[in-house]
Amino acid sequence: QKEVEQNSGPLSVPEGAIASLNCTYSDRVSQSFFWYRQYSGKSPELIMSIYSNGDKEDGRFTAQLNKASQYVSLLIRDSQPSDSATYLCAVYLGDSSYKLIFGSGTRLLVRP
Amino acid sequence: DTGVSQDPRHKITKRGQNVTFRCDPISEHNRLYWYRQTLGQGPEFLTYFQNEAQLEKSRLLSDRFSAERPKGSFSTLEIQRTEQGDSAMYLCASSLGQGVPGELFFGEGSRLTVL
Repeated sequence: QKEVEQNSGPLSVPEGAIASLNCTYSDRVSQSFFWYRQYSGKSPELIMSIYSNGDKEDGRFTAQLNKASQYVSLLIRDSQPSDSATYLCAVYLGDSSYKLIFGSGTRLLVRP
Repeated sequence: DTGVSQDPRHKITKRGQNVTFRCDPISEHNRLYWYRQTLGQGPEFLTYFQNEAQLEKSRLLSDRFSAERPKGSFSTLEIQRTEQGDSAMYLCASSLGQGVPGELFFGEGSRLTVL
């Protein structure tokens, strides 16, 4: 089992719709969770961080964390073509390690 | 610009040659990371520095790879006797913190092509 798992996609949604991106992780004691956006040929860019159970909203983005289910998600409301990118879920494992573990990413395509 | 900078942005080399990449983190950041990314995959952790100390290194990392961060400022990643499988984007990231690791800020990457 991979430490951080994501569906590779592509996830295709029409412009204006809600895009829902999901991620599961293997370590029950993980404390810190991040979503990065990566455009083709560019480096990852931080979108959201979440540390406690529940929802965290920032503009059109909402991160949701459920530690009991080891599940973190990202909702993008009113999706725009400019949101088309790969979204990477990243988790710090709870084994006293400082390494941030990334999933393989979900490719999102927003159709005009 | 005060972001993370990497040099060179692109490197093409022949198999067996040595290459070195440089990373200049955000100036006040004490933590520095190197990652490697291949097409269709997420970034793969290589190594971590806190100030000048290399505190963590991937078990998957070959002995051909070495990294340094003298004086806790810039860092270099050297790959000796390159192989075609080393072709990838090498990403440097930095962050600030003392306790639970926080947000990483990435540079634009150094793309390596080994012929």
